Amino acid sequence: QSVLTQPPSTSGTPGHRVTISCSGGSSNIGGNPVKWYQQLPGTAPQLLIYSNNQRPSGVPDRFSGSKSGTSASLAISGLQSADEADYYCAAWDDSLNAYVFGSGTKVTVL
Amino acid sequence: QLRLHESGPGRVKPSETLSLTCTVSGGSISRSDYYWGWVRQPPGKGLEWIGSVYYSGNTYYNASLKNRVTISVDTSKNQFSLKLNSVTAADTAVYFCARVFKWLSNALDIWGPGTLVSVSA
Repeated sequence: QSVLTQPPSTSGTPGHRVTISCSGGSSNIGGNPVKWYQQLPGTAPQLLIYSNNQRPSGVPDRFSGSKSGTSASLAISGLQSADEADYYCAAWDDSLNAYVFGSGTKVTVL
Repeated sequence: QLRLHESGPGRVKPSETLSLTCTVSGGSISRSDYYWGWVRQPPGKGLEWIGSVYYSGNTYYNASLKNRVTISVDTSKNQFSLKLNSVTAADTAVYFCARVFKWLSNALDIWGPGTLVSVSA
């Protein structure tokens, strides 16, 4: 059972926008920066977002992150077939003294 | 360009010790900006943080694995290592090593390709 809760799946058509939620608590999302990772099939995860809403160099601005209280969201606009992947939120948890990942959300492009 | 690569046995017997090494190339493991971490992913499941190590040797472990895990660093070889003892089938997973960048709010910004370790007799 993951500490951070994400919907198992979501889908959208090319060009449209999807959002993925990540729900936690005061010891993790509520008090620490959120990161988002994209994992394409059969590959290692890649960093998409850090510090709640910052994109590393090379990540398209179609990906955006936000945080409010103990929840965070990742939005993908202009959806492309290349965006089909699993997406994970993550944050440090002060109570567990551990880096915790969300349960993961599979994005399907219809 | 910095690269990480995991190496070690692909199969370990139950009750024995899983040992993996991550070799860092294209940059120094001794930079103070970074930690170095291990993450695993059981087949078809999500990601689990195992722990991290600083170049000085300071370590941080997932409490759920703490009694069985040791992460160490060898700055002379630009490598860090994972040992997980008393393994069971539940430890079967793809094991990733990754760089933890302090100034990106401790995000894992560079990952190795991962290596599958199966626990079976």
